[in-house]
Amino acid sequence: SQQGEEDPQALSIQEGENATMNCSYKTSINNLQWYRQNSGRGLVHLILIRSNEREKHSGRLRVTLDTSKKSSSLLITASRAADTASYFCATGGHGGGNKLTFGTGTQLKVEL
Amino acid sequence: GAGVSQSPRYKVAKRGQDVALRCDPISGHVSLFWYQQALGQGPEFLTYFQNEAQLDKSGLPSDRFFAERPEGSVSTLKIQRTQQEDSAVYLCASSSTDRSFSSPQHFGDGTRLSIL
Repeated sequence: SQQGEEDPQALSIQEGENATMNCSYKTSINNLQWYRQNSGRGLVHLILIRSNEREKHSGRLRVTLDTSKKSSSLLITASRAADTASYFCATGGHGGGNKLTFGTGTQLKVEL
Repeated sequence: GAGVSQSPRYKVAKRGQDVALRCDPISGHVSLFWYQQALGQGPEFLTYFQNEAQLDKSGLPSDRFFAERPEGSVSTLKIQRTQQEDSAVYLCASSSTDRSFSSPQHFGDGTRLSIL
């Protein structure tokens, strides 16, 4: 079963705009990861944030984590057409063993 | 080196046939995972290997699903007596550590299985 949900399910923006995706989860976690999936391809790891961290940056990506609300957000700044993909959050640890539990994903479309 | 390789990329089978899906993880990676991804959904965990040991198979949907990794490298996911509901993309992922929940997983491009 899915751990949680991403919001929105789909997002369409213009190139250069920022994109924000949210993820909610249900159980206690050790860390939360974000992955990207281009159509017909596998998932690519973007960033990992640990449960004791509140914010993390990597290039144009900014991730926040609020464990009290069991939620995370992914911000992509200055989006590009190449950012068009599906984005998934995934949680791991805390009784779940080594597996990752994925959310339902946000489909991002960046238009020129 | 090379990434995670899966074969075949596409598989079409008739209902009732057996299929075998192969995963070549990144060389030296200890952990190997199989996930099932339905259209428009996130991946769902099937099973996990640490080297050759299958430590978690809680996600396998029925006893028709079987996975092995006999030498701790290549893995095969076998589905017996396939049903239409088995149609999905099957993703394999590997990780360099035995604490894979705290490190990135590297995914292959998956096998798209269609059962007619």
